[in-house]
Amino acid sequence: DGGITQSPKYLFRKEGQNVTLSCEQNLNHDAMYWYRQDPGQGLRLIYYSQIVNDFQKGDIAEGYSVSREKKESFPLTVTSAQKNPTAFYLCASRYLTGQGSAEAFFGQGTRLTVV
Amino acid sequence: DQQVKQNSPSLSVQEGRISILNCDYTNSMFDYFLWYKKYPAEGPTFLISISSIKDKNEDGRFTVFLNKSAKHLSLHIVPSQPGDSAVYFCAAIRNNDMRFGAGTRLTVKP
Repeated sequence: DGGITQSPKYLFRKEGQNVTLSCEQNLNHDAMYWYRQDPGQGLRLIYYSQIVNDFQKGDIAEGYSVSREKKESFPLTVTSAQKNPTAFYLCASRYLTGQGSAEAFFGQGTRLTVV
Repeated sequence: DQQVKQNSPSLSVQEGRISILNCDYTNSMFDYFLWYKKYPAEGPTFLISISSIKDKNEDGRFTVFLNKSAKHLSLHIVPSQPGDSAVYFCAAIRNNDMRFGAGTRLTVKP
């Protein structure tokens, strides 16, 4: 079955710790994205990547880091520099514009809570 | 700077009537526009998209209209059903940079 998988579904972090959220897709998509959703708010872009070993900052990249060593994987690290990390994190993937349908497919999300 | 705006946080309609969800954008260089439906604690589900070179796209009960001169798009759902109740997000793509609006919560009453 093709799809995009985020893990874990729930994650708890102590203040001062770094944590890494996993995102894997087997849809052969080149573009991958990370968004953050806070209660009652929209999806804000953290980072996106169009190709292996390359990525661009979104609106709220501070306190986050990403890597794209493989086409299938785009992990997000929430560092201790992120002052308010408690949120719902969503990963998405899609074909590059002009190479397939425009739609993006989303994972089921990871809820991160700082304790 | 918010490039994609959904100014109505909520909308309530009667079952069988039309639902119209609106979205405005600021960047005239967007290539594609999309609509997604989302339930709490889940990832968004794609509904319908439109290229910037078109002004209308229809798929079953869902129609998206694009007015480039006004930098405005809308999603029409006809007829509305109680199962359509969810949060709807519009998104815009330029050079693979994909931005979302804040969402509109649609409630369809039986």
